[in-house]
Amino acid sequence: GQNIDQPTEMTATEGAIVQINCTYQTSGFNGLFWYQQHAGEAPTFLSYNVLDGLEEKGRFSSFLSRSKGYSYLLLKELQMKDSASYLCAVRDGDYKLSFGAGTTVTVRA
Amino acid sequence: DAGITQSPRHKVTETGTPVTLRCHQTENHRYMYWYRQDPGHGLRLIHYSYGVKDTDKGEVSDGYSVSRSKTEDFLLTLESATSSQTSVYFCAISESEGSDTQYFGPGTRLTVL
Repeated sequence: GQNIDQPTEMTATEGAIVQINCTYQTSGFNGLFWYQQHAGEAPTFLSYNVLDGLEEKGRFSSFLSRSKGYSYLLLKELQMKDSASYLCAVRDGDYKLSFGAGTTVTVRA
Repeated sequence: DAGITQSPRHKVTETGTPVTLRCHQTENHRYMYWYRQDPGHGLRLIHYSYGVKDTDKGEVSDGYSVSRSKTEDFLLTLESATSSQTSVYFCAISESEGSDTQYFGPGTRLTVL
């Protein structure tokens, strides 16, 4: 089966930076996704990495190292509205998505 | 936002009753998926469809069946609901399997008493 690990919870202060790590062991690899999910809502797409390196998109950046089975999502200049769960998902060799359990980020004033 | 709706949004039912959840899309995407989300488990794939009348099982398919008679509609049926099927169910769509992002519907909260 697939194994995707990410921390359960993280807390940070408004304006700060938070880094959410994700490690994975999957049967094949065809890309890694990060989704944001506010409480009671649907997951929404944040970023996609298929090659090693950093992808930057405004205040959010995502990094991938395929050889290490590792990714992180970096949230800069945190805002209260960034309080949410962040889901790491890996597309395996059969092109199916496997999700981690999610990291709940709480932003404090 | 992708045009995906789910119905009903909330449902309470009793053990042993049949339940059907509907996912409707207006994007004409080929692929549709059903996931369930439970605390501590993340999203898990139940069934998916790669075209009209073409479906396949996911990771947690036992106790569920699906049907897709039109591109825009993907139905998930619990033939005889059990308390272990209490969950939040999300539908997702993607244009292709290999390279496209999946976009999620608003979810259905199902409680089986």
